[in-house]
Amino acid sequence: NAGVMQNPRHLVRRRGQEARLRCSPMKGHSHVYWYRQLPEEGLKFMVYLQKENIIDESGMPKERFSAEFPKEGPSILRIQQVVRGDSAAYFCASSPPGGTYGYTFGSGTRLTVV
Amino acid sequence: AQSVAQPEDQVNVAEGNPLTVKCTYSVSGNPYLFWYVQYPNRGLQFLLKYITGDNLVKGSYGFEAEFNKSQTSFHLKKPSALVSDSALYFCAVRDIWDSSYKLIFGSGTRLLVRP
Repeated sequence: NAGVMQNPRHLVRRRGQEARLRCSPMKGHSHVYWYRQLPEEGLKFMVYLQKENIIDESGMPKERFSAEFPKEGPSILRIQQVVRGDSAAYFCASSPPGGTYGYTFGSGTRLTVV
Repeated sequence: AQSVAQPEDQVNVAEGNPLTVKCTYSVSGNPYLFWYVQYPNRGLQFLLKYITGDNLVKGSYGFEAEFNKSQTSFHLKKPSALVSDSALYFCAVRDIWDSSYKLIFGSGTRLLVRP
């Protein structure tokens, strides 16, 4: 079991470009969560998705950010027109259905905007 | 709204001494509580959780945590610290009535174990 796979591990984008972050959940996990970790800070919830559905996007910035979890393929976190303040580590986590399980985290994607 | 407080940015302890990393929480209903550890440039690793039952929960690497409902706390403890325990520790909470299942994390506590 490969665990939660995130790619790329590191991503450098110039201001104004688009960033696409991918996350493949653990086998058997149908819930995906995205978190952002700014330098020297904790994790901030962004969005929770199930297959083809956004369940809770209360932590997503209203503009430039979007997420999807299609029927086939990985979950994608998309950031359009990146700015320096988007530089952070973005972590994906997955869990099975039901709320008593903790998450399994991926190793994260470190986005640097130059 | 759910929230988690980790009042200490950093905890310093000598190897072989007991350690405690503090966590308090706030939820409107009953909590599910978790501890995670993060090593440099890595994702978070699950340590232990409290769902129901015994207030003392044992987890990975010799860590344990005690759920105290009256004090709304879930402090992480270990009887004898190792240098390799040095890392960033996060407490997280979920309200069992929150249908979105999301975990709310504290700001993290850096544990430094000196030889």
